Parts: sequence; C-alpha cells; structure tokens
Amino acid sequence: QKEVEQNSGPLSVPEGAIASLNCTYSDRGSQSFFWYRQYSGKSPELIMFIYSNGDKEDGRFTAQLNKASQYVSLLIRDSQPSDSATYLCAVTPGGGADGLTFGKGTHLIIQP
Amino acid sequence: EAQVTQNPRYLITVTGKKLTVTCSQNMNHEYMSWYRQDPGLGLRQIYYSMNVEVTDKGDVPEGYKVSRKEKRNFPLILESPSPNQTSLYFCASSLSIHRESYNEQFFGPGTRLTVL
Repeated sequence: QKEVEQNSGPLSVPEGAIASLNCTYSDRGSQSFFWYRQYSGKSPELIMFIYSNGDKEDGRFTAQLNKASQYVSLLIRDSQPSDSATYLCAVTPGGGADGLTFGKGTHLIIQP
Repeated sequence: EAQVTQNPRYLITVTGKKLTVTCSQNMNHEYMSWYRQDPGLGLRQIYYSMNVEVTDKGDVPEGYKVSRKEKRNFPLILESPSPNQTSLYFCASSLSIHRESYNEQFFGPGTRLTVL
C-alpha cells in the first residue's frame, strides 16, 4: 500500500518566520514529488514540484528532497498570513504506475 | 481562460437516485482524474483516464463509474448513491502523465455532494 505521511497540525508559525512542512513516503520507487496548497473549501493548487535530490527554490518557497530517507519538505520563508492553508504532499508511484498519492495534508496557520 | 469546470457545484440527493457530475477541461489535456476528499482521509483517487476510451480504477472506485468518450469530458456517475458517498469531489486534468515527465494537475472547483 502506497503511503504518504504528513503531520496534520495545526502548525502555527509567527508572521515573517520560516514555516517547515514535512512529508515521508513509503514507495521507494517514487519519482516525482509535489506540494499543493489548499484553502478551506477551495481546490488544490500546485506550488512546487521536485524530481531530484536536493533543494529547489521558487521565490519564498523551497522544496527539499532526500530519496534515501524517503523524505520531502517544503520551506516557506517570510511567512505571510495569506500562507495560512492546508499543504498537501503528493507523490507519483514507482514501477511506472500512474496517478498521484496524496498525503492528508498539514494545516498551517501564520499568526500576525 | 484555461480551466477545469465541474457541474453541479453543490448537490443534495437521496439514496439510490442516479446522478452524474460533469467535468470538462479546455486545455487539450490527455490525463483526467476524479478524487474525493473527506475530513481526516485526505484526497483519494476514484478513477483516472490516460486518454479517450482509456479509464482505470484508482484507490476507491467502488460505487462509481466513469466514461471518456471525448478528450475534454470525464463525467463521474453514481448509479445508486449511498450516504457514504457524501463528500467533496474534485476533477483534475494534466497534459500527460508519464513516469519521467510529469505535468501539473489542474483541479476543478469541486462538487460538494450530500446523499441523504
């Protein structure tokens, strides 16, 4: 059974600080990793994707991937109240299979 | 505007009354998928389609049907809805999905279904 694990939170971070969101996955063959942001009652929107070990930066967001540890994280620098949302980690399965497996999400609260 | 549309956005129905939730995308995407989202359970894939006339089961296909007669449309059919199918449903599409080259999945606005 493919599993993607996230701490459900809520994770409370002061405005301006760095928010760190973590995700582990069970399928060692997974190739692609995604972070989606979802506001309450809205649809998920893609923030970052990463394929290779290491860091990938896009503005205030940095995705980090460590395939040996089966671990992917999302850092949000200079957190803003508008970053308050649920963040979903998603992973493609290994073995050439299709689709995405989502974690249950981490609820992030940025405190003004 | 590039988008995925779903209809209806909200639906309250009764047990056993067949219903269809439509999904349409205007981006010429090959891959389309249906998810349900429930509190504490996250997003779970119901069915997906790699292209016209090609569909496959996701993680929770029981009680659902889909069809892909046209590239742009991917309706979700509940032949005999039951209360445990009360959920928030999302349709998504992407240009293609391949192990080595993955493209962003675009989500529709969601359909909130209540089955009494």
